[in-house]
Amino acid sequence: GQNIDQPTEMTATEGAIVQINCTYQTSGFNGLFWYQQHAGEAPTFLSYNVLDGLEEKGRFSSFLSRSKGYSYLLLKELQMKDSASYLCAVRPLLGGYNKLIFGAGTRLAVHP
Amino acid sequence: GAVVSQHPSWVICKSGTSVKIECRSLDFQATTMFWYRQFPKQSLMLMATSNEGSKATYEQGVEKDKFLINHASLTLSTLTVTSAHPEDSSFYICSARDGRELQETQYFGPGTRLLVL
Repeated sequence: GQNIDQPTEMTATEGAIVQINCTYQTSGFNGLFWYQQHAGEAPTFLSYNVLDGLEEKGRFSSFLSRSKGYSYLLLKELQMKDSASYLCAVRPLLGGYNKLIFGAGTRLAVHP
Repeated sequence: GAVVSQHPSWVICKSGTSVKIECRSLDFQATTMFWYRQFPKQSLMLMATSNEGSKATYEQGVEKDKFLINHASLTLSTLTVTSAHPEDSSFYICSARDGRELQETQYFGPGTRLLVL
């Protein structure tokens, strides 16, 4: 079956660094996405990994290890506006039409 | 990134009526769009994959006669919730796959909040 795990909730302090982990077990692997979703809004695309290693994009970085079925999203210099849910999504190799399997999301609360 | 619009943003209807939701890719053509629903504090649940010019592919447990999907053009997919009931109240979100990108990211519309009374 398909399974994606990430912590339910995390808290962090403004200005700090936080790492959100994601582990997955899917029928093959064809890419991993991270999305940010503020309450009541649609998800917005943050990052994409398909090869092992770190992808950096400003304050956000995402890491992938395919052999371990593991990814993390790293947020630096946290701001209050980073309080949101972070969704890890995997595109399996099987299933067709490039559909994504989403994790339950990690709710991040940034406090002063 | 690519822009996806969704209309209406919210709708309130009486039980038994049908509601149509539109999803449009504004600056790119999308041969494939996806329809999700999301309950409060839960993640996205894929309902169906909408393919331009052919029938939609529904996920297990999703009634195709209840949730009608039409992908009539490369920029428009519609979801019709037929004979809506209070349990259909949810946040419905569409996404479109940008085939111009190598990674073929899914970009999401702003969502439609449906309340069935």
